[in-house]
Formats: sequence, structure tokens, C-alpha cells
Amino acid sequence: NAGVMQNPRHLVRRRGQEARLRCSPMKGHSHVYWYRQLPEEGLKFMVYLQKENIIDESGMPKERFSAEFPKEGPSILRIQQVVRGDSAAYFCASSPQGQANEKLFFGSGTQLSVL
Amino acid sequence: QQQVKQSPQSLIVQKGGISIINCAYENTAFDYFPWYQQFPGKGPALLIAIRPDVSEKKEGRFTISFNKSAKQFSLHIMDSQPGDSATYFCAAGGTSYGKLTFGQGTILTVHP
Repeated sequence: NAGVMQNPRHLVRRRGQEARLRCSPMKGHSHVYWYRQLPEEGLKFMVYLQKENIIDESGMPKERFSAEFPKEGPSILRIQQVVRGDSAAYFCASSPQGQANEKLFFGSGTQLSVL
Repeated sequence: QQQVKQSPQSLIVQKGGISIINCAYENTAFDYFPWYQQFPGKGPALLIAIRPDVSEKKEGRFTISFNKSAKQFSLHIMDSQPGDSATYFCAAGGTSYGKLTFGQGTILTVHP
């Protein structure tokens, strides 16, 4: 049973370009979370999605960032017009039932570097 | 009110020693406190978790101690091994789905 798959592992973008980060949850999981990790900081919650629904996007910047989890295919975190401050590791996690004390399964992350 | 403060930032321990990492939280609505272990280039993985209805939970060499009145909890790693060298994150949640508030992380180095 494959774990949470994220791609690409590394993504380099120039300022002003778009970044698309993909996340395939574990088989049987329909709850996806995106977290961002800045250097020497802990992970910060960005958004929680279920299939075709954004449940909580309170941690996601209102400008330039968007997320989706379509009925078919991976979850996508999209960052438009990237700036240097967007450079970070972006982790996706999934869980089977979306319960509050449920174990989260994390992917290996996408390291975004903005030049 | 949503913060989780973790200390120390880094920790060096000799093989066989005890590693202790501490966390403090502010939001009394939190009722789920997991610890995650992260190796370089990998995502965090759940190590052990505790609910506030118990003061201690032990799994193998890993123990969580929980002090509800002080709003503090800690991870103890007994007989630390070089393979335990990793970054450890405490977290708090339980208020809604899998939304966790993480501490800043502790880089643990265990020398042989």
C-alpha cells in the first residue's frame, strides 16, 4: 500500500511564475491536509480538503494561493506569481476519516525554491 | 492562543542517555497531543500521542508525560540510539479534524 505521494520533490520557479504541487493521498483516504514548513520552523496548517470540497482554508494566504481536491486525481496546491517568501517545504497529509485525533500520514514533501 | 512552544531547539545526547523535549500550549481546548519524528528529506511520521485524560503514555523507549494544569507535555526517549537522531515536533489538536498546531521542532543528535 503506497503512502502519500507528492510530486515534484523539488520545484524551482522564478519570481512571478506559477507553482503547482501535487498530492495523492493514501489509498482509501479522502481527507487531505496541506502544511508549510519554513526553515527552522514547525509545520503550519494551510488547508483541509475533502473530495471536491474545501473545508478549512484558514491557514492559506488569501492572495495567490489556492487548493483543490477533485473527484478524480490528486489534490493540487497552486501558488500564482510566486515570491521569494514562498520558498519552503510543502507537505501533504491524508487521513481516512478526518477525525480530530486521527493519525495523519505525511508525504515526503515538495521543496519549493523561488529564485 | 494557538501557539505551541517547544524546547530545546537542539539537543545532543550520548548513546544510552535520556533525551527530553518539552512543549507548552495555551489553548485549553486542545485535547490531542501527538509527537512526530522527521528524518532529513522525509515527511513527519507519528511517533506517539496522548489524550489529556492520562498523565503518561509509554511505547517502548518513548514516553509522553502530560501535565494538564501546567499545560505542558514532554517526550522522553530512554536509552537513546544514533538511529533516533532526527527532528522531533510536538503538536496539539483535537479541536477539529486533523488540524494540528506544531511546535518549532527539536533537532536531536545522538552520538555513538
